[in-house]
Amino acid sequence: DVKVTQSSRYLVKRTGEKVFLECVQDMDHENMFWYRQDPGLGLRLIYFSYDVKMKEKGDIPEGYSVSREKKERFSLILESASTNQTSMYLCASSPWDREDTEAFFGQGTRLTVV
Amino acid sequence: DAKTTQPNSMESNEEEPVHLPCNHSTISGTDYIHWYRQLPSQGPEYVIHGLTSNVNNRMASLAIAEDRKSSTLILHRATLRDAAVYYCILRDDGFGNEKLTFGTGTRLTIIP
Repeated sequence: DVKVTQSSRYLVKRTGEKVFLECVQDMDHENMFWYRQDPGLGLRLIYFSYDVKMKEKGDIPEGYSVSREKKERFSLILESASTNQTSMYLCASSPWDREDTEAFFGQGTRLTVV
Repeated sequence: DAKTTQPNSMESNEEEPVHLPCNHSTISGTDYIHWYRQLPSQGPEYVIHGLTSNVNNRMASLAIAEDRKSSTLILHRATLRDAAVYYCILRDDGFGNEKLTFGTGTRLTIIP
């Protein structure tokens, strides 16, 4: 019954590494979102995409990029990981222009940059 | 984007009703009110949503003020499994690409 799948639950990377976080959804949703979650700061939107190859910046895009080559897959890229990017990363998806329906979240990836 | 305001934390006794408030004084006519919750070590999950009328489902009830500037999520009989962070968000049904913005939510603690 899993609908949004994130490739890893836990990830440890070194400072300066290029990091890919993958998210796949099986509901044919147009919208996909990447968030990071830190204690006391709630969910903050990094990037979102409403179609293949389309992307828009969220509230905290600095230090991140994204890729959406296929409708079902949305990747978050940390070009050169830094310790301040240690966080929980959450992916979500929803149908386009259907704000009367629910969004679905993955289980999250806890990334530690050492 | 219209914003929501929630208390940082609340406590409730097990098996009693819980009323979680949310203020959204700048809500627009096309905004849906959604509630999500996040259990420990999990991603957020949908709870309920509404536009103007009160709504009920198997998880909870949503009471929306007549002027729509506030709403209340009601858990009728709290259990320990309801301990979570609850998020109240607005989703704009107007044309355009949705940003789906969350805030910090309310951390609900259930006392046995």
